[in-house]
Amino acid sequence: GIQVEQSPPDLILQEGANSTLRCNFSDSVNNLQWFHQNPWGQLINLFYIPSGTKQNGRLSATTVATERYSLLYISSSQTTDSGVYFCAVGPYNQGGKLIFGQGTELSVKP
Amino acid sequence: DTGVSQDPRHKITKRGQNVTFRCDPISEHNRLYWYRQTLGQGPEFLTYFQNEAQLEKSRLLSDRFSAERPKGSFSTLEIQRTEQGDSAMYLCASSPRGSGDNEQFFGPGTRLTVL
Repeated sequence: GIQVEQSPPDLILQEGANSTLRCNFSDSVNNLQWFHQNPWGQLINLFYIPSGTKQNGRLSATTVATERYSLLYISSSQTTDSGVYFCAVGPYNQGGKLIFGQGTELSVKP
Repeated sequence: DTGVSQDPRHKITKRGQNVTFRCDPISEHNRLYWYRQTLGQGPEFLTYFQNEAQLEKSRLLSDRFSAERPKGSFSTLEIQRTEQGDSAMYLCASSPRGSGDNEQFFGPGTRLTVL
């Protein structure tokens, strides 16, 4: 089946710093989503981005589908950005189910 | 639109007991998914419904697990004869079915602890 790899697995930043999270996937997909999991376990939708570039405030994401990777940019990080970030992909012709990466655990220090 | 809801939020049970979880999707979303997440891992797909039809089940879904979605609205996930290895967060998601729009929205999850 499709493999999803996220890097780095862990990231520690000072408040105000910028960061880039990467997601590589091993086959073509028709869905790609980025999530932030809060301390209570809720998955918060950040981006639905099977291709192209999107921006939402301090966050932006780019997916290059032909090269099978996606990037999540966080600028001017805040302590509230801490948590686990997941990339999830939906393979073609598999009913829309999502395959998740292992996540990147981000810790932003004041 | 109140989002995806799940009930209960937490469940503690003893090994061997049966448990049932409920998921209410976003209204008018045709697809409903169940995932399981264990500590330190990403969520893993269990099963999904299109309306009331269960279209796929993962190998993770042993015969002790059963899911239903009567009338294509809410869904239930039942685990019979629970085992300690069933302890996990059970997540439900829904999405509209339409070409080019497969974005999934997740509920808050049900955290199961089997003693």
